Amino acid sequence: DVKVTQSSRYLVKRTGEKVFLECVQDMDHENMFWYRQDPGLGLRLIYFSYDVKMKEKGDIPEGYSVSREKKERFSLILESASTNQTSMYLCASSFGDRNTEAFFGQGTRLTVV
Amino acid sequence: QQQVKQSPQSLIVQKGGISIINCAYENTAFDYFPWYQQFPGKGPALLIAIRPDVSEKKEGRFTISFNKSAKQFSLHIMDSQPGDSATYFCAARNSNAGGTSYGKLTFGQGTILTVHP
Repeated sequence: DVKVTQSSRYLVKRTGEKVFLECVQDMDHENMFWYRQDPGLGLRLIYFSYDVKMKEKGDIPEGYSVSREKKERFSLILESASTNQTSMYLCASSFGDRNTEAFFGQGTRLTVV
Repeated sequence: QQQVKQSPQSLIVQKGGISIINCAYENTAFDYFPWYQQFPGKGPALLIAIRPDVSEKKEGRFTISFNKSAKQFSLHIMDSQPGDSATYFCAARNSNAGGTSYGKLTFGQGTILTVHP
């Protein structure tokens, strides 16, 4: 079974803190994605990576950065957390082939106070 | 700009009834339309997917209907069960997008389905 593992299920951080969300996949997938899930807005793409050290902005990259130093690991970084970044964060991965499905992690619910 | 619009936001159905969730898209380059199912505390998981060369795809109690000319597709859950209670997301992807964008999924807003026993 494909496994996408996010390091934390729940996080509570203070405004202004630097926050790291970690994601690891065990299927040797080329593509990795970070989405944000908010009620009524669905899933919105923050950043994605198609190879080690490669990244591209998604639809809502402002206030976020990412790092992919190894193929299996993709990190989302909130440089200075703000209350409007309180949300559910979902990591996903897929093969680089154009016709494959994306597999999601269980999500990290981040609360910024 | 919301490229995939999903309705309704929430849906309550009695056990044994039919659940119908609708999605409409704008980008005619989309060529892959998956539906994801998400249970509380879990990440979304692929439920069923369709490509625009067919008008319908059925897997068990789940059916996708696709109308290319109207740019709409829908999920039908026959004989709905309490275990189907979850959030459902439609999505779309342009598999032929240039550069590295081909893997990007655009999601609808989600539908919270509750099936009463």
